[in-house]
Amino acid sequence: GQNIDQPTEMTATEGAIVQINCTYQTSGFNGLFWYQQHAGEAPTFLSYNVLDGLEEKGRFSSFLSRSKGYSYLLLKELQMKDSASYLCASISGGYNKLIFGAGTRLAVHP
Amino acid sequence: DSGVTQTPKHLITATGQRVTLRCSPRSGDLSVYWYQQSLDQGLQFLIQYYNGEERAKGNILERFSAQQFPDLHSELNLSSLELGDSALYFCASSAGASLVDEQFFGPGTRLTVL
Repeated sequence: GQNIDQPTEMTATEGAIVQINCTYQTSGFNGLFWYQQHAGEAPTFLSYNVLDGLEEKGRFSSFLSRSKGYSYLLLKELQMKDSASYLCASISGGYNKLIFGAGTRLAVHP
Repeated sequence: DSGVTQTPKHLITATGQRVTLRCSPRSGDLSVYWYQQSLDQGLQFLIQYYNGEERAKGNILERFSAQQFPDLHSELNLSSLELGDSALYFCASSAGASLVDEQFFGPGTRLTVL
């Protein structure tokens, strides 16, 4: 079956670095998304990884290991506005299946 | 502002009723996606339309149906509503046909079934 796991909640301090992990078991894997969602708002796209390795985009980086079924989102120089839920989602099955994890709620404290 | 619009913003109705949610994609986008987000189920992909045709299907119930019109706006019809259908329904759009294309989400319609 298809399954995506990520921690339910994390806390971190302003200015620090936090890593949010995501593991997936999907057949016919075709890539992994990360989205940010502030409470009561729509998700916004952060990254898409299909090849192994790290992709950096400003303060945010995303890593993928296809052999391990594992991804992480790395947030550097944390700001209070980074307090949000972070959703990972996999595409599989010939680009026809899109499955989201339950999301990780990140709280950034001063 | 993503450029995707959804109406209505809020909808309150009773069990057994039928409602229609509307979505207008960003200018130039040909794909429209529908999602359901409830507290216990998280974000779930329901269905994708590309240029008027169904392109990909997720966990959409048989009581739910969608279509995309020639002007590219889309409607999601929910019928025989149950309490468990109460959720935030998001529409998203993208330029291309593939699920890997970057999607831009609308503000959502909050449906409450009493």
